[in-house]
Amino acid sequence: KQEVTQIPAALSVPEGENLVLNCSFTDSAIYNLQWFRQDPGKGLTSLLLIQSSQREQTSGRLNASLDKSSGRSTLYIAASQPGDSATYLCAVSHLYNFNKFYFGSGTKLNVKP
Amino acid sequence: DARVTQTPRDKVTEMGQEVTMRCQPILGHNTVFWYRQTMMQGLELLAYFRNRAPLDDSGMPKDRFSAEMPDATLATLKIQPSEPRDSAVYFCASGLVQRGGVRDNEQFFGPGTRLTVL
Repeated sequence: KQEVTQIPAALSVPEGENLVLNCSFTDSAIYNLQWFRQDPGKGLTSLLLIQSSQREQTSGRLNASLDKSSGRSTLYIAASQPGDSATYLCAVSHLYNFNKFYFGSGTKLNVKP
Repeated sequence: DARVTQTPRDKVTEMGQEVTMRCQPILGHNTVFWYRQTMMQGLELLAYFRNRAPLDDSGMPKDRFSAEMPDATLATLKIQPSEPRDSAVYFCASGLVQRGGVRDNEQFFGPGTRLTVL
């Protein structure tokens, strides 16, 4: 069974800092990988989706990379802002059942003003 | 704007009672997912439907949980009887899932139903 791990579990940084969130997965037979943001008491919002054939995706201040062979993805957030404070989850979908996502437990980010 | 809606947002009930959670997927989406989120287990897939037909419910405790899609605009998740260990946030997500598109399995989540079973 696919295991998805996110490190660190929590992170606190001052505003303006660049930061990296890590995601690792045990089975490289993935269809794609998604990064989500979850605000307290809210659902998940999709941030970036990387197909298994891609190396990275960018959206504004966010950049996600994927190294399928080593089972790793990183989410890079440039010039962090207090509004970035949330829990970030990564999820991988299975190559042979792309509807099924396996989620990590998330990294809780706090950006201090 | 198009979004997934869920009702109720919060539910407190006593052990043994029946609980029904409802989800309205985004209009035009053909796949609906039910997830459960707890501190201990994180986010787990319970079941999902394609074009209203159940495709996978292997994550769902069969003895007390049931999921249905009476029509394309409504998905329900029922627990009978409920137990304290069912306390969690239940999320519904929908997507227009079809192979071949760039974002063909992207899922859109609702705000969740927070269930507390006393």
